[in-house]
Amino acid sequence: QQQVKQSPQSLIVQKGGISIINCAYENTAFDYFPWYQQFPGKGPALLIAIRPDVSEKKEGRFTISFNKSAKQFSLHIMDSQPGDSATYFCAAKGGIQGAQKLVFGQGTRLTINP
Amino acid sequence: EAGVVQSPRYKIIEKKQPVAFWCNPISGHNTLYWYLQNLGQGPELLIRYENEEAVDDSQLPKDRFSAERLKGVDSTLKIQPAELGDSAVYLCASSSTSDYNEQFFGPGTRLTVL
Repeated sequence: QQQVKQSPQSLIVQKGGISIINCAYENTAFDYFPWYQQFPGKGPALLIAIRPDVSEKKEGRFTISFNKSAKQFSLHIMDSQPGDSATYFCAAKGGIQGAQKLVFGQGTRLTINP
Repeated sequence: EAGVVQSPRYKIIEKKQPVAFWCNPISGHNTLYWYLQNLGQGPELLIRYENEEAVDDSQLPKDRFSAERLKGVDSTLKIQPAELGDSAVYLCASSSTSDYNEQFFGPGTRLTVL
């Protein structure tokens, strides 16, 4: 119930293309869904986050799409650039017992080819 | 503004030896987290502090792991004795409160147990 499943494990996209990473969850008490970006040798950094009262949130080239009924959410990176090459993690938290605990997906290693 | 500081950045020890990691959170952040990140996986929470109090240590293997945050600022995570399976990156994060505020991660300490 606490798991967040992320796919794909790795993704290669051409420069200028759209990168799409998907996550699914089981715990309906989750009410906060952030995406983190991690570069080698660095800690994860918050990229964008969404709450389930909206179906989409856009910040620059990054968009989260959220489907509450399917318990799925995804990250879309438009006009992908080589500098976007990193590992991306979805996460979730919420509920009485898990309100303060972030549960992370397994990560997606994204490579943008120039 | 300085970010979360962790030291050392790398540590190589032999099994059964003790090891300690240090974290200095962002100034003013009263919530501090220690995470474990295995290779190719997302971070997993080990312990969360609200000021000096450990409010969630349910995932901390207490037979060999211990942590402290004596003055509600810096924190130390200790492993004694270390095992081969403890090889991982240990991340520290902090936030201004634990209620959906962004967690800022440090660069982590990469531990190798031989």
